[in-house]
Amino acid sequence: QQQVRQSPQSLTVWEGETAILNCSYEDSTFNYFPWYQQFPGEGPALLISISSVSDKKEDGRFTIFFNKREKKLSLHITDSQPGDSATYFCAASAHNNNAPRFGAGTKLTVKP
Amino acid sequence: EAAVTQSPRNKVTVTGGNVTLSCRQTNSHNYMYWYRQDTGHGLRLIHYSYGAGNLQIGDVPDGYKATRTTQEDFFLLLELASPSQTSLYFCASSAPGGVTLYFGAGTRLSVL
Repeated sequence: QQQVRQSPQSLTVWEGETAILNCSYEDSTFNYFPWYQQFPGEGPALLISISSVSDKKEDGRFTIFFNKREKKLSLHITDSQPGDSATYFCAASAHNNNAPRFGAGTKLTVKP
Repeated sequence: EAAVTQSPRNKVTVTGGNVTLSCRQTNSHNYMYWYRQDTGHGLRLIHYSYGAGNLQIGDVPDGYKATRTTQEDFFLLLELASPSQTSLYFCASSAPGGVTLYFGAGTRLSVL
């Protein structure tokens, strides 16, 4: 079963809008949550990450919000650009089992 | 230049055939991973390794073997390929702790 769940499966926003991508998990031992960005024909690449000791991580237009009690995260992309069109994967790993588990991904399309 | 190189980039085989997917990393990383990517499932962990000669079982290991011959090289073996193994395969490497995974460009495998 999927240890990490993402929603929505696909999302379309207009240029300049804020895109919100959601992620949840079950395993309470997970303590590190990276988000990866994947363009067609390429492998995923790390975009931004957060550890369980924080509730927010910001990097430019990208912000992760983390709710440990509810085991939920969200990635907010503000002022979305057509170049942000990609598939975004939420992942999770535990300090005692380093192999990250990935969600099914959210395909984001930003229309100009 | 690419630090994680996968070969071949594309492979077609028949049911029951033998396939070896290769991965080489020049990041001097100890950890290496094999994932498969399928629509609706995202990235699923097949096998991973903490170093030369070490193998760990992932979440979807059935039908796959792996060998880590050196720190740089990690191979995925399909000894009796089945159509259900048609997928996009990614190799990745990371430093101990798995904080950031560095992915190759992927191998697209079709089993007819």
